[in-house]
Amino acid sequence: SQTIHQWPATLVQPVGSPLSLECTVEGTSNPNLYWYRQAAGRGLQLLFYSVGIGQISSEVPQNLSASRPQDRQFILSSKKLLLSDSGFYLCAWSPANSPLHFGNGTRLTVT
Amino acid sequence: QKEVEQNSGPLSVPEGAIASLNCTYSDRVSQSFFWYRQYSGKSPELIMSIYSNGDKEDGRFTAQLNKASQYVSLLIRDSQPSDSATYLCAVNQAGTALIFGKGTTLSVSS
Repeated sequence: SQTIHQWPATLVQPVGSPLSLECTVEGTSNPNLYWYRQAAGRGLQLLFYSVGIGQISSEVPQNLSASRPQDRQFILSSKKLLLSDSGFYLCAWSPANSPLHFGNGTRLTVT
Repeated sequence: QKEVEQNSGPLSVPEGAIASLNCTYSDRVSQSFFWYRQYSGKSPELIMSIYSNGDKEDGRFTAQLNKASQYVSLLIRDSQPSDSATYLCAVNQAGTALIFGKGTTLSVSS
């Protein structure tokens, strides 16, 4: 069966520091991969999605970036965090044209 | 811009009652519709998917889709306190990422 791993579970970072969140999927090949953010009191906002290695689509212009160095690995990064980057970051995967399955999420607090 | 609208609630129902959650979407060519449940502090989990007009039942859950009205709903029969959560409606076309509503908070009192 397929599983998705996302870490860390919680993170507190100062403004201006870098960020790296990692997500890996097991038990499948060539999955679609996604990064969503859920800010307090707001809905799920799609940040990036990828249909293959090196193929990244950005939905919202911001100081975040994503990379997919391997088929089942998806990384979310920032060079300098802003207070507004605080939120609940969720990695998700899906086979083509199928529902999303989410990881456990990373709660990021920027101080 | 594609939008998915939900009443934020809270929707409060007594234990054993039917909870009715509603969602409308703006993109007429949407093809796939999903309901996710999210407990506080946890990630969303898929509970129902529906692709064609009509009803789809799975245990205590029934999803209803009306593409002409651009409306999808979720009924929870015999509501339990453990059903208390935020329910997210999600919509997409083939080959595109899911667009989520902001969710409806359901509270089931014992």
